[in-house]
Amino acid sequence: QKEVEQNSGPLSVPEGAIASLNCTYSDRGSQSFFWYRQYSGKSPELIMSIYSNGDKEDGRFTAQLNKASQYVSLLIRDSQPSDSATYLCAVKGNTGKLIFGQGTTLQVKP
Amino acid sequence: KAGVTQTPRYLIKTRGQQVTLSCSPISGHRSVSWYQQTPGQGLQFLFEYFSETQRNKGNFPGRFSGRQFSNSRSEMNVSTLELGDSALYLCASSLEAGPIEQFFGPGTRLTVL
Repeated sequence: QKEVEQNSGPLSVPEGAIASLNCTYSDRGSQSFFWYRQYSGKSPELIMSIYSNGDKEDGRFTAQLNKASQYVSLLIRDSQPSDSATYLCAVKGNTGKLIFGQGTTLQVKP
Repeated sequence: KAGVTQTPRYLIKTRGQQVTLSCSPISGHRSVSWYQQTPGQGLQFLFEYFSETQRNKGNFPGRFSGRQFSNSRSEMNVSTLELGDSALYLCASSLEAGPIEQFFGPGTRLTVL
């Protein structure tokens, strides 16, 4: 079992729709959870961090964390073609290492 | 505030050579982490430095090493390069060590021939 798992996609949504990206993790002691966006040929860009159970909203982005289910998700409302990128889930556990999932490719079609 | 900078941006080396990559963190950031990104393995943690001390290390062979200087700048060295070392090497900085937000530099693209 991988430490951090994401569906590689591609996830295709029409412009204006809600994109839902999911991530599961194996280390129950994980403390911090992050979503990064990576455009092709660029480095990862931090878009959300979440540390406690529940929802955290920032503009069109909402991160959701459920530690009991070891599940973290990212919702993107009113998706735009410029949101087309690979979204990386990253989890920091008791080891202190930041472990990344393989990423989900999102395609937003005009 | 300037972001994380990495030099050089591109490198071409041959097998058996060694290489040194440099990273300057965001001003005021004291923690620097290094990652390797490849299409097959994704983003993998190499090591983290804080206050000139290595705090954490990933599962990479001893050919990969690093250090951090008193001004928080960091270098990463790979000796005896192998073809499989071809990758994008990313540096990320954060204010402190621990489970807080990290910000990535543009990366160094290393090609080993």
